[in-house]
Amino acid sequence: DTAVSQTPKYLVTQMGNDKSIKCEQNLGHDTMYWYKQDSKKFLKIMFSYNNKELIINETVPNRFSPKSPDKAHLNLHINSLELGDSAVYFCASSQFRVRETQYFGPGTRLLVL
Amino acid sequence: QKEVEQNSGPLSVPEGAIASLNCTYSDRGSQSFFWYRQYSGKSPELIMSIYSNGDKEDGRFTAQLNKASQYVSLLIRDSQPSDSATYLCALRGSSNTGKLIFGQGTTLQVKP
Repeated sequence: DTAVSQTPKYLVTQMGNDKSIKCEQNLGHDTMYWYKQDSKKFLKIMFSYNNKELIINETVPNRFSPKSPDKAHLNLHINSLELGDSAVYFCASSQFRVRETQYFGPGTRLLVL
Repeated sequence: QKEVEQNSGPLSVPEGAIASLNCTYSDRGSQSFFWYRQYSGKSPELIMSIYSNGDKEDGRFTAQLNKASQYVSLLIRDSQPSDSATYLCALRGSSNTGKLIFGQGTTLQVKP
């Protein structure tokens, strides 16, 4: 049973395209996150939703738009992809009251050409 | 100054030795600290948390916290090749969002 799943695992696309990454968790958690990990392994929070409400919105270009249709799903849509968007994007989930114990998905490796 | 700083390494130790991983942070208001392990090509997983000054032991792992010096460390005793990974130090920020702030990680190589 996969706890936190992401699709796709790999995404290779051209500059200027629009793409989406989907995330689902079956842990019954009420909080979900998107992180970006760059080539230097630096893992940085982008967004967080608690019960479908946006609670963390870091300084991220507005080309990135998260959407949480329900507590178990969190999607990330990226418009007009740029070379600098190439990274690994991790989805994670937790219970809000135990936010430090986050369970990460396998990651989506995005390469923008 | 970065909020969480780690030496990126690699830190190379022989099998059976003690590996010492260090982390400093800038936000004096931080109260909760964590170590995540990330194998190459995999996702991070939580291995230790520490909230009070002093040591916390869990098996071969010991986390150490010194809030006055703004310093967190992770000791791995009897290092095994399977411990080879990147270790990410993280803290819960003092803002009300409680977001986790990660360091860039230290890569540990345990050589047989």
